[in-house]
Amino acid sequence: TQLLEQSPQFLSIQEGENLTVYCNSSSVFSSLQWYRQEPGEGPVLLVTVVTGGEVKKLKRLTFQFGDARKDSSLHITAAQPGDTGLYLCAGGNTGGFKTIFGAGTRLFVKA
Amino acid sequence: NAGVTQTPKFQVLKTGQSMTLQCAQDMNHNSMYWYRQDPGMGLRLIYYSASEGTTDKGEVPNGYNVSRLNKREFSLRLESAAPSQTSVYFCASTEDSEETQYFGPGTRLLVL
Repeated sequence: TQLLEQSPQFLSIQEGENLTVYCNSSSVFSSLQWYRQEPGEGPVLLVTVVTGGEVKKLKRLTFQFGDARKDSSLHITAAQPGDTGLYLCAGGNTGGFKTIFGAGTRLFVKA
Repeated sequence: NAGVTQTPKFQVLKTGQSMTLQCAQDMNHNSMYWYRQDPGMGLRLIYYSASEGTTDKGEVPNGYNVSRLNKREFSLRLESAAPSQTSVYFCASTEDSEETQYFGPGTRLLVL
C-alpha cells in the first residue's frame, strides 16, 4: 500500500517568516501534486511536479520533487495570513486513477 | 461555469437511514471520484468512475454504492448509515487519469 506522510501536521508562524513542509513516501510516484484547502471548501491544485529533481516556483511558493520521486517539499517565503490553510500532497501513477493523498499540513499565519 | 457542484451541503442522519449524495460537473470530464475526508487521515478514495458507464472501488468502498448516471453526474449512496460514516464527502472530476482533480465544495454528513 502506498502512503504519503506529511510533516509537520500543524504549523503556526508569524507573518513574514519562512517555512517548509514535507511530503515523504517509501514508494515512487509518476507525479506529485500539491493542493491547498480552505475551511469549508474543496482542495484546489497549486502545482504538479513530474520529473525527479524538478523545482517549480509559484510567486512565494517553491515546490521540489525529490530525485527518486518519492518525496517533495513546499517552501513558502515571507508567509502572509492569506497563506493560511491545509496543504495536501497527492501522489499519482501513470494510467492509474487512485491518487494517494497525505493527511495534510495545517498552516496558520498570524498577522 | 460552475465546475463541480455537490448537494446537499449538510446532512444529519440517524443510524440506519439511507441517503444519496449528488455530484455534477460541467467541464465535460471523463472521470469522477468520491472521497471522504476525516481528521488526521487525509482524503480517502471511496469509488471512482474512469468513464461513463464504469465504476470501480477505491480504498474504502464498504457501506457505499455509486451510480454514474451520465457523463455529468456521479452519485454516492449510503444504504444504511452508520456513525463511522460521519465525515466530509468530496466529489472530484478529471479529464483523464493523470489530470488535475477539480473538487466540489463538499457535503458534511453527521450520522447519529
